[in-house]
Amino acid sequence: QSALTQPASVSGSPGQSITISCTGTSSDVGGFDYVSWYQQHPGKAPKLMIYEVTNRPSGVPDRFSASKSGNTASLTISGLQAEDEADYYCSSYRSSTTLVFGGGTKLTVL
Amino acid sequence: QVQLVESGGGVVQPGRSLRLSCAVSGLTFSNYGIHWVRQAPGKGLEWVAAISYDGSNKPYADSVKGRFTISRDNSKNTLYLQMNSLRPEDTAVYYCAKSIVPTHYYCGMDVWGQGTTVTVSS
Repeated sequence: QSALTQPASVSGSPGQSITISCTGTSSDVGGFDYVSWYQQHPGKAPKLMIYEVTNRPSGVPDRFSASKSGNTASLTISGLQAEDEADYYCSSYRSSTTLVFGGGTKLTVL
Repeated sequence: QVQLVESGGGVVQPGRSLRLSCAVSGLTFSNYGIHWVRQAPGKGLEWVAAISYDGSNKPYADSVKGRFTISRDNSKNTLYLQMNSLRPEDTAVYYCAKSIVPTHYYCGMDVWGQGTTVTVSS
């Protein structure tokens, strides 16, 4: 099961906006509206930031938004803050009832 | 509040077995699908398996299919992962995580345990 494709790293300055892409296929990202995004700080468990492509769980700041176009999903963080520095993972439902994660993106806040 | 607590990790020789547990509290356990997700040292997240709220669906990643078995005991609010024929590449932190949407285990995982470490080495 090949992983979804994410950039290895992105960076931005405080206050700026960044976007992380997540590319799959029509069998996963493009075929279903079940894309999720997770934030993980070092040594901590992942935290759900987005589910079902665009939905934010309660408590997640509205600086975090997401979308999908074709086989690529995107997570945008606006008004970057120092505490946003973390690893970010996308995941998607894949046909044959499995789930798949992206390889992860390290966000550096300069 | 909702809590998931994993246990059962440890050091095991290749080819041996181990059973992980995940105790869940703070919610109606039988309403939710639950996942196992692992993370090898310095690597990304890898989905391992899931079980639907009623235990009727149990999908697995190809990397563990036929070796790992997921199960749940709704009377004990506990999830299990029986891991057989362990390999060095199974070395990882294993997390259990709850689905955010009741009855739909593939929508996203909103509550995670702290993880339990499994090391497969001779």
